[in-house]
Amino acid sequence: ETGVTQTPRHLVMGMTNKKSLKCEQHLGHNAMYWYKQSAKKPLELMFVYSLEERVENNSVPSRFSPECPNSSHLFLHLHTLQPEDSALYLCASSQEWAAYNEQFFGPGTRLTVL
Amino acid sequence: AQTVTQSQPEMSVQEAETVTLSCTYDTSENNYYLFWYKQPPSRQMILVIRQEAYKQQNATENRFSVNFQKAAKSFSLKISDSQLGDTAMYFCAFSLPTLNFGNEKLTFGTGTRLTIIP
Repeated sequence: ETGVTQTPRHLVMGMTNKKSLKCEQHLGHNAMYWYKQSAKKPLELMFVYSLEERVENNSVPSRFSPECPNSSHLFLHLHTLQPEDSALYLCASSQEWAAYNEQFFGPGTRLTVL
Repeated sequence: AQTVTQSQPEMSVQEAETVTLSCTYDTSENNYYLFWYKQPPSRQMILVIRQEAYKQQNATENRFSVNFQKAAKSFSLKISDSQLGDTAMYFCAFSLPTLNFGNEKLTFGTGTRLTIIP
């Protein structure tokens, strides 16, 4: 596997379910990101990890919980989601957490909340 | 807060023609970075081109070039000799270097869906 991978690619869940999205990067990068992509809206940055240190984003509801056990893996734990949380969730990584760095994106997880 | 505006939700052009995608942004800072990312259908988003604001020369990557107008806060993408593989969503993005951890984030526009017609 090369680049940034995400599993699962598609997920359908009920509002009472608990699920997790997984992201893995094989690029040796030190920064990883979760984005939410909704139709006709800009990509929304949800969380950033740099060298496994997390940046809080106060606008993200607590029903989304990130976890970064090491610099290669990133999880997004989901619980009691709402239908408006249905979206494409993208993971990305970059060499460093710096403005100039190119971000490498995964293919995304298409989430549908019923 | 920085904002990025892409005023063209959709565009289409014949293969081999040249197309220009527009992007404007709003910031009071002098030093920043601008990017164009491409998201092909059902494929991963990739960087097309980037520009440092302190560089006056427009960035170029093969068939892709930008027209960076700093005073006008405009950052358009020109695709020359368009190919079918250029069909994708194109996102303009802005990033501001700061000393505060967590503030160096990419701010994206809403995207332009470009279709290359055979």
